[in-house]
Amino acid sequence: GDSVTQMEGPVTLSEEAFLTINCTYTATGYPSLFWYVQYPGEGLQLLLKATKADDKGSNKGFEATYRKETTSFHLEKGSVQVSDSAVYFCALMFSGAGSYQLTFGKGTKLSVIP
Amino acid sequence: DGGITQSPKYLFRKEGQNVTLSCEQNLNHDAMYWYRQDPGQGLRLIYYSQIVNDFQKGDIAEGYSVSREKKESFPLTVTSAQKNPTAFYLCASSANRADTQYFGPGTRLTVL
Repeated sequence: GDSVTQMEGPVTLSEEAFLTINCTYTATGYPSLFWYVQYPGEGLQLLLKATKADDKGSNKGFEATYRKETTSFHLEKGSVQVSDSAVYFCALMFSGAGSYQLTFGKGTKLSVIP
Repeated sequence: DGGITQSPKYLFRKEGQNVTLSCEQNLNHDAMYWYRQDPGQGLRLIYYSQIVNDFQKGDIAEGYSVSREKKESFPLTVTSAQKNPTAFYLCASSANRADTQYFGPGTRLTVL
């Protein structure tokens, strides 16, 4: 079945460092891809999404490009801030036989220190 | 403001008691979902509803029940049959089944 694999955390970075969180997926066909962020004690917020190959999603300085050839959707940010400390989830949605299931990775915890 | 509300934020119950978690949305979304989150895990789908008076089991429906009598509301009951109910429960909605899902703030349930 469909699955999402994220790099294991936790990831600790200094403020203004470059961030990459790897995400690869396994799916038949061409799913839509998402990054959600969860701040401590809160629900998930949609960070960005991409619906077809080579699309780039971007929001709040974060970017991710849908790479069909490598089945990847890596999250990047050029300069992280303390306020970016959170858990980041990669997810895919694929329509198979009319079933639209959102499948999540296990999450990557990011801590940014001043 | 449009959004999804879940109440309460924290809930404590004794083992063997049923408990109902509330989820309300004013986004006029047709589809609603319940997920369970355990530490270090991704989210797992419990139930979803594409339209009023209709709902489908997700991957881990055993020990849970839902209803969808109104478009805005999708309450989840955690029954005494759920063997390990302590978890963080998240409700989500989307305009339709194929659209992006948006999440509520969650309810943390602790069974003592």
